[in-house]
Amino acid sequence: DAGVTQTPRHEVAEKGQTIILKCEPVSGHNDLFWYRQTKIQGLELLSYFRSKSLMEDGGAFKDRFKAEMLNSSFSTLKIQPTEPKDSAVYLCASSPTASQNTLYFGAGTRLSVL
Amino acid sequence: GDSVTQTEGLVTLTEGLPVMLNCTYQTIYSNPFLFWYVQHLNESPRLLLKSFTDNKRTEHQGFHATLHKSSSSFHLQKSSAQLSDSALYYCALSDRVNYAQGLTFGLGTRVSVFP
Repeated sequence: DAGVTQTPRHEVAEKGQTIILKCEPVSGHNDLFWYRQTKIQGLELLSYFRSKSLMEDGGAFKDRFKAEMLNSSFSTLKIQPTEPKDSAVYLCASSPTASQNTLYFGAGTRLSVL
Repeated sequence: GDSVTQTEGLVTLTEGLPVMLNCTYQTIYSNPFLFWYVQHLNESPRLLLKSFTDNKRTEHQGFHATLHKSSSSFHLQKSSAQLSDSALYYCALSDRVNYAQGLTFGLGTRVSVFP
C-alpha cells in the first residue's frame, strides 16, 4: 500500500506569495491532519479532517492558513500570504478512524520563505 | 486545553546505558490515550508505542512505557541504548472516547547515543 504522499518536497517562496501544499492520504484512512514542525515549537496542529469534515482549524493559524479536503484522497494547505516566520516543515498525516489517532506521516514539505 | 510536557532539549548518553524520557500530561478527559512517536534524521515521525490502559506496561522494539493515570505520566524507557536510537522522540496525547480533537504533541526530546 502507498503511504502518505506529499508534494512538493521543497518549496521556496517570496514573502507575500501564495503557496499550496498537497497531500494524498493512505487509501481508506478517514482522518487527515496537517502539522507544522519547527525546532522551537515542535509539532503544531494546523487542521484536522474526519471523513472530509473539518474537526479542528488550528486556532491561531486560521487567518493565513486554509486547509481543504477536496475528496477523500486529496487535501491541500494554502498559505496566503506567506511570511518568513512560516519557514518550517509541513507534515501531512492520515489515520484510520478505528485506530484512534495512530498517525501515518508523509515525508513532509520543507518551506522556505525569503 | 490539553498539554504534554517532555524531558527538555537534548539527552546524550553512552551506548549500552539505560534510557528514560519523561512525559507528563494534563487533560480534562477521563480516558487519555498516550503515544510515543520517534523521528530519525531526515525521516518523518512514526509510531513507537501507545497505551490507554492504566498501570499496564506496553513494549515495542526494546522500548517500554506504562501509563500511570494517578501521576499523569507515560515515561519511555529502554534498558540498553543503541546507536540507532539516536532520534527525536515525541510524546502525544488524545482521548480514547472523544478523539475528535486529534493529537496533542509535546515539544520533543532529542536523543543522541555515542559509542
